[in-house]
Amino acid sequence: QVSLKESGPGILQPFQTLSLTCSFSGFSLGTSNMGVGWIRQTSGKGLEYLATIWWDDDKYFNPSLNSRLTVSKDTSNNQAFLKITSVDTADTGTYYCTQEGKEGIVDWGQGVMVTVSS
Amino acid sequence: DIVMTQSPSSLAVSAGDKVTMSCKSSQSLFSSEYQGNYLSWFQQKPGQSPKLLISLASTRETGVPDRFIGSGSGTDFTLTINSVQAEDLAVYYCEQYYSYPLTFGSGTKLEIK
Repeated sequence: QVSLKESGPGILQPFQTLSLTCSFSGFSLGTSNMGVGWIRQTSGKGLEYLATIWWDDDKYFNPSLNSRLTVSKDTSNNQAFLKITSVDTADTGTYYCTQEGKEGIVDWGQGVMVTVSS
Repeated sequence: DIVMTQSPSSLAVSAGDKVTMSCKSSQSLFSSEYQGNYLSWFQQKPGQSPKLLISLASTRETGVPDRFIGSGSGTDFTLTINSVQAEDLAVYYCEQYYSYPLTFGSGTKLEIK
């Protein structure tokens, strides 16, 4: 059974870097055609795709945020990571990590709320 | 980016009614290589994360009640819920995975009278 759980700082100030961790079980990023994605849900833009990292270290980013995003993984420990630099209030929302496969997004984590406030 | 447009934005129905909601994409989601439409439907109940209902436009996930039916091809897709139940109160999103960046519709909020 697949399970994903996001963790992060909760609150941060403008211009800081947001670092999120996705800890998962039930699948491995060492397996072909497995990926972990990041989606956020904000009041302004609804569900917004951020990035994906694949089993072979291939990566995709939302072009509108590309320069601010970094994704990485720790295959041995079943974790994936997202960093967003220079946050502002528009980055406030709920951040989800997802399991991706050839059939698209298969499963979602419970989400972690992030508030950017001075 | 592929733009996903959902309608209506909300609808209120009574338990037992049949519901249809629409999702249109700005370009075709059909892959001739894999002979399928790269379109998923998600259900997000209040306070929960989205849950995958249907992938490849019409393939129900294991455990999803058969009253949920996905149909359509190319750029026009429909989610039908036959005999809506009170537990179906949720926002329904379509999403394309034909190309990156993945994109979502703005959702259809289903309310039960």
